[in-house]
Amino acid sequence: AQSVTQLGSHVSVSEGALVLLRCNYSSSVPPYLFWYVQYPNQGLQLLLKYTSAATLVKGINGFEAEFKKSETSFHLTKPSAHMSDAAEYFCAVSDNQAGTALIFGKGTTLSVSS
Amino acid sequence: NAGVTQTPKFRVLKTGQSMTLLCAQDMNHEYMYWYRQDPGMGLRLIHYSVGEGTTAKGEVPDGYNVSRLKKQNFLLGLESAAPSQTSVYFCASSYSNIHNEQFFGPGTRLTVL
Repeated sequence: AQSVTQLGSHVSVSEGALVLLRCNYSSSVPPYLFWYVQYPNQGLQLLLKYTSAATLVKGINGFEAEFKKSETSFHLTKPSAHMSDAAEYFCAVSDNQAGTALIFGKGTTLSVSS
Repeated sequence: NAGVTQTPKFRVLKTGQSMTLLCAQDMNHEYMYWYRQDPGMGLRLIHYSVGEGTTAKGEVPDGYNVSRLKKQNFLLGLESAAPSQTSVYFCASSYSNIHNEQFFGPGTRLTVL
């Protein structure tokens, strides 16, 4: 069965600092991996996805993530945080089997201070 | 395109009351999902549908029923609401399970007293 672990329920950075949100997955088959962002009182929005093509995936708003099979990780990074990045971030995994849905991590809240 | 819409946005129920949450999508997606979001728990799948007329149970289906009579609509029903069902409910849809990119609605905040 697939699972996702997000290390750190809350991450705080200063504006302009590096953002690193950690995600480790467990999957018995090659996974599809996703990062979603949720702004306050809104639904989830896709940031980026890994679907077995390039291991370094670029997403919206300057975010990127690198798939590392040996570490079973898919960490999300952004070189320079902006105040508008403050939100909750969810990592999710799918094994692409018929009829399955996404398995979400518990989320990481990112705070950005000026 | 409106994308995924949910009705209502907010609702307060008393224990034992029933209600139906409506999800609609205008993207001609085959797959639709209902999740609940609770603090510190992430999103947990309640039920999902892989096409019109089909439904299946997810991780936390107890106390909920669903129907997919039309491709664009996915209804979530609570027959006898309980305080444990106080949550934010999100509907999502996807074109297929190939890449499984899901598009989410804005959510329904339900409080059961």
